[in-house]
Amino acid sequence: DAMVIQNPRYQVTQFGKPVTLSCSQTLNHNVMYWYQQKSSQAPKLLFHYYDKDFNNEADTPDNFQSRRPNTSFCFLDIRSPGLGDAAMYLCATSRGHAGFEAFFGQGTRLTVV
Amino acid sequence: AQTVTQSQPEMSVQEAETVTLSCTYDTSESDYYLFWYKQPPSRQMILVIRQEAYKQQNATENRFSVNFQKAAKSFSLKISDSQLGDAAMYFCAYPQGGSEKLVFGKGTKLTVNP
Repeated sequence: DAMVIQNPRYQVTQFGKPVTLSCSQTLNHNVMYWYQQKSSQAPKLLFHYYDKDFNNEADTPDNFQSRRPNTSFCFLDIRSPGLGDAAMYLCATSRGHAGFEAFFGQGTRLTVV
Repeated sequence: AQTVTQSQPEMSVQEAETVTLSCTYDTSESDYYLFWYKQPPSRQMILVIRQEAYKQQNATENRFSVNFQKAAKSFSLKISDSQLGDAAMYFCAYPQGGSEKLVFGKGTKLTVNP
């Protein structure tokens, strides 16, 4: 039944050790988003793909990268995680028009030790 | 910059009562959409209600309705007959510049007391 699936739900990584979070969708939506959400804060858009077109936010650190090998999958790579990167990472999808609903995964809680 | 502001970090309501969550936004667009999303504890965010700016009529979805004041750039969410399952973080959201980029407010944590 799940339409946007994020793996893993919880990820613990060491300071400076690269980590990859994954997201898959069964909705065949054009757009896939990655948001970072820290406690008591708004979800912050890191980047998104519209089909194969990558759209990076101006204030997203270079430490964060993304890949979308096909319509269904999207990955978030953190090259050298710092303590400040500990957060909930949300993946979402939409059809792409501003009026369309975004569908979210359950998120991956990243802990950096 | 186009922003979304939720001025109430936390709200509480008694079961079966009505509560209103506030949201203001800033945009230069004349036609746009606004959304309220709900994020229950440990569960994914889901859409509660959507409003199209060019429509005068306020959107309604069962117990959820909005009070959309375009001139004031205000978009509040009213929850009637509150239920325990309504307890969640509620986010007001806006597609920036009419694009697919969704920008969120800081959220309001709603507690429902039995």
